[in-house]
Amino acid sequence: EAQVTQNPRYLITVTGKKLTVTCSQNMNHEYMSWYRQDPGLGLRQIYYSMNVEVTDKGDVPEGYKVSRKEKRNFPLILESPSPNQTSLYFCASSLNRGNQPQHFGDGTRLSIL
Amino acid sequence: KQEVTQIPAALSVPEGENLVLNCSFTDSAIYNLQWFRQDPGKGLTSLLLIQSSQREQTSGRLNASLDKSSGRSTLYIAASQPGDSATYLCAVPSNDYKLSFGAGTTVTVRA
Repeated sequence: EAQVTQNPRYLITVTGKKLTVTCSQNMNHEYMSWYRQDPGLGLRQIYYSMNVEVTDKGDVPEGYKVSRKEKRNFPLILESPSPNQTSLYFCASSLNRGNQPQHFGDGTRLSIL
Repeated sequence: KQEVTQIPAALSVPEGENLVLNCSFTDSAIYNLQWFRQDPGKGLTSLLLIQSSQREQTSGRLNASLDKSSGRSTLYIAASQPGDSATYLCAVPSNDYKLSFGAGTTVTVRA
């Protein structure tokens, strides 16, 4: 089954404790990205990747890192999480940027205390 | 910067009524526009993708129109059902791979 898989789905942690949210897709998609969703602000892009080893900042990259060492994986890293990073996070992928639909994971709800 | 607006923010209708959801965007230089559905606690499900060269796209009871020149798209859902209750989001990519979303319209269909 074609899917985007995120882990963990839920996480409660404390300020400053490094964490990684994994994202994996099985559709051989080139394009992957991370979004956060906050009430009243909607979905905002954090980082995106056009292919292996090619990443770029989205609209809200501060406090986040990403890597794209393999085509299928695009982990989101919070080196020193802070309470303002409490949010619902989504990973997405598409075949390419142009005319292909975006496929989304089920989301990861992070709470930073 | 591309800005996407969805009106209304929330909508409640009786079962069987047609739904009309609006999306507007500020920069008309778009490649496509995508409509998504989001159920509570779930991810986003792609409903329709309209290419910039198209004026409308249909899937079952769903029909989406696109007017690039006026920066508007409309999602029509015919003969609404309680199972259509969800939040509907529209999104447009900008030229540099960034995807901008509207805040969504939360739909409640009353049985």
